[in-house]
Amino acid sequence: TAGITQAPTSQILAAGRSMTLRCTQDMRHNAMYWYRQDLGLGLRLIHYSNTAGTTGKGEVPDGYSVSRANTDDFPLTLASAVPSQTSVYFCASQPSGNTGELFFGEGSRLTVL
Amino acid sequence: GQNIDQPTEMTATEGAIVQINCTYQTSGFNGLFWYQQHAGEAPTFLSYNVLDGLEEKGRFSSFLSRSKGYSYLLLKELQMKDSASYLCAVTDSNYQLIWGAGTKLIIKP
Repeated sequence: TAGITQAPTSQILAAGRSMTLRCTQDMRHNAMYWYRQDLGLGLRLIHYSNTAGTTGKGEVPDGYSVSRANTDDFPLTLASAVPSQTSVYFCASQPSGNTGELFFGEGSRLTVL
Repeated sequence: GQNIDQPTEMTATEGAIVQINCTYQTSGFNGLFWYQQHAGEAPTFLSYNVLDGLEEKGRFSSFLSRSKGYSYLLLKELQMKDSASYLCAVTDSNYQLIWGAGTKLIIKP
């Protein structure tokens, strides 16, 4: 079972360029999340989606956008990357209702130069 | 503000027992999670506590005291593969997950 898949695994990006991190899950989970993880800090929520067709802002949404056209896919877009967006990005899904464990993708390591 | 506190790093010996503490101050409480994260990998679920008391799962146990805003993760019979970061997370009244920065556990032979 694939579970939750992220792509790319790692990427080096020039500042000012745009980038989309892909996230796909095959578990039919309603809720999906994008986090960034930086050294010494906890996981910080960027955006979330409780169900297909809806999205919401998390703790650190500036500079990022998401869409949720269907249940399976939840891409994260950086419209104009800046060096402070260098981080490891994790996509996660949750069965429903904001309860229950999160299932994480393997992460996407992004470096903005 | 909402806050989760965990020690930054702990060291323990193979075969021993270690307790990783987590204290929290959140707006409401709807459960506490522990996740394990090996270096360069994704977090994986370890345990969930919503009621006071001890939940045991093999070598790992998790304890919760809601009145004290306190939890701990207890790891017994430590193995080298237990070297990882352990993340504490609390679901607040809005069902948002608040994450601690994690505790890096180093196991020595």
